[in-house]
Amino acid sequence: GAGVSQSPSNKVTEKGKDVELRCDPISGHTALYWYRQSLGQGLEFLIYFQGNSAPDKSGLPSDRFSAERTGGSVSTLTIQRTQQEDSAVYLCASSLANLGNTEAFFGQGTRLTVV
Amino acid sequence: AQTVTQSQPEMSVQEAETVTLSCTYDTSESDYYLFWYKQPPSRQMILVIRQEAYKQQNATENRFSVNFQKAAKSFSLKISDSQLGDAAMYFCAYRSAWGNNDMRFGAGTRLTVKP
Repeated sequence: GAGVSQSPSNKVTEKGKDVELRCDPISGHTALYWYRQSLGQGLEFLIYFQGNSAPDKSGLPSDRFSAERTGGSVSTLTIQRTQQEDSAVYLCASSLANLGNTEAFFGQGTRLTVV
Repeated sequence: AQTVTQSQPEMSVQEAETVTLSCTYDTSESDYYLFWYKQPPSRQMILVIRQEAYKQQNATENRFSVNFQKAAKSFSLKISDSQLGDAAMYFCAYRSAWGNNDMRFGAGTRLTVKP
């Protein structure tokens, strides 16, 4: 597709369940980012993938959060044993790598609600 | 890690007037990039304007311009002739030019445009 695609758009899950959020970046973009946006708040950095380099996981809030990027394309963010405080919009973005002034293109996010 | 601060949680402007949104950042790097993104209610993040730190000239995109003060680590956004469609959350972002060039965002400023 032409843009960054995220699925699902909305996800309601019960506390304690695991969830997987998917991001399909723009073709050819080797940099991929995950952010969390709580209601009315800013973007909290979670994780950054850059080509074949080891990802920067410094923003992951706990060991319940993990992410992978298969084949340098699609990425999955997994949250295990979800808690109510995990409720937020999870945004994914991609950009061309090694060109710092290039635009990061965002998906429309997944709204996660933990009940 | 670099931090980005937006000290104005909310701002309001009259249609056709001018408004300035503030952003400061903390870094020890000399080469980096700065961005302003807009997020309307649709959640879709849209790039408004970007600035390379090595450029002294302030970036301009139609009604949008920045005041980049490198020594002060300040990067404000000026919106001229404000339109109703400018109402959105505005996020300032920082990206390193070298090494790990992930993007870090401020907490955002919610702009309301009054008719």
